[in-house]
Amino acid sequence: DAKTTQPNSMESNEEEPVHLPCNHSTISGTDYIHWYRQLPSQGPEYVIHGLTSNVNNRMASLAIAEDRKSSTLILHRATLRDAAVYYCILRATSGSRLTFGEGTQLTVNP
Amino acid sequence: NAGVTQTPKFQVLKTGQSMTLQCAQDMNHEYMSWYRQDPGMGLRLIHYSVGAGITDQGEVPNGYNVSRSTTEDFPLRLLSAAPSQTSVYFCASSPLTRQMRYGYTFGSGTRLTVV
Repeated sequence: DAKTTQPNSMESNEEEPVHLPCNHSTISGTDYIHWYRQLPSQGPEYVIHGLTSNVNNRMASLAIAEDRKSSTLILHRATLRDAAVYYCILRATSGSRLTFGEGTQLTVNP
Repeated sequence: NAGVTQTPKFQVLKTGQSMTLQCAQDMNHEYMSWYRQDPGMGLRLIHYSVGAGITDQGEVPNGYNVSRSTTEDFPLRLLSAAPSQTSVYFCASSPLTRQMRYGYTFGSGTRLTVV
């Protein structure tokens, strides 16, 4: 499985935008980019995914670089409930597994 | 509510005991899997299944058995519990067809302590 690299931690202020980066320089042409988050004492929660084009949903936006070697999860207005570990994961077309790295711990300050 | 249900939520075992962690989903997902998460770490895949009667090993399968007799249920068995199996266990499911386009749904976890 191709690997991803994320910062260990990031901080943001409440109601400000947050940009969470992810590098995946060995991504293959058919890997989907998935983002999950894990709130304290809970199971991971699906956030968003994309292949080549930028994606938006009610939770977040995903910006994918033109060469697909990096992506950015954008939370438009952070709230205290967004404090979580965010995982960037590559999903192979033929594989069945999600391989989790250590993710980015997001702290949101009031 | 539709989703993945894990039982029990908490369990304490003595070394050498066996037990089964239950996982059930009501979304008719073909793919189910078990992960463990140790403190401060990401999730690691234990076993997974792409349908009833089909299972395969993940990254850390030793000490665990699984079976899949129905689409809905995917129990995880600890044969002889060891302190190294102290962890939080998560079950997840996903549609299989073109699954890379879908996210996983995770259960809320089982916190297991082996003493």
